[in-house]
Amino acid sequence: DAKTTQPPSMDCAEGRAANLPCNHSTISGNEYVYWYRQIHSQGPQYIIHGLKNNETNEMASLIITEDRKSSTLILPHATLRDTAVYYCIVRGLSSNTGKLIFGQGTTLQVKP
Amino acid sequence: GAGVSQSPSNKVTEKGKDVELRCDPISGHTALYWYRQSLGQGLEFLIYFQGNSAPDKSGLPSDRFSAERTGGSVSTLTIQRTQQEDSAVYLCASSQATGGAGSNYGYTFGSGTRLTVV
Repeated sequence: DAKTTQPPSMDCAEGRAANLPCNHSTISGNEYVYWYRQIHSQGPQYIIHGLKNNETNEMASLIITEDRKSSTLILPHATLRDTAVYYCIVRGLSSNTGKLIFGQGTTLQVKP
Repeated sequence: GAGVSQSPSNKVTEKGKDVELRCDPISGHTALYWYRQSLGQGLEFLIYFQGNSAPDKSGLPSDRFSAERTGGSVSTLTIQRTQQEDSAVYLCASSQATGGAGSNYGYTFGSGTRLTVV
């Protein structure tokens, strides 16, 4: 599975959009991009995933560049409760290992 | 159940003792994973079960660690002769490994077991 690179930390003002970048330049054609977040003292929570088209759900939007070498997770109106560590993970559905490998993620601090 | 259930939520044990941590996955989820997270660190993969296939044990840190999954459902992670460096939050997750384009391989995590070895 491809490796990802994320900034270690970011700040965002409450009510503004939080844009979290992720580089995955070695991604292959059958690999999906997944985003999870971990709020302090809780288990990680699935947010969204995509292959090549942009995706949106009730939590966030995922924008994947045309060459698929990077993506951005967008929280449109960040709240204090969105303060968490955000993990970008690339994994192929055909992968027979099954496991997600979590990197260090981006610590997002939403400030009032 | 509605979510992944782990027990106990907290466990304090003396160095050298054995401990068992339990995970009840979401009903129908064929894949089950164990991770651990030391204080201030990221998630470290331990072991993965998928249906009746042999488990992927590549993340187990030593032979003191073992896990089993009975009947394709409940899983137990056992740590023998615990050491202080085993202190961490042990997280279990399950997923539907149904495959196919567009399938959601999203994991659902439990709340974890906080293990403290004194």
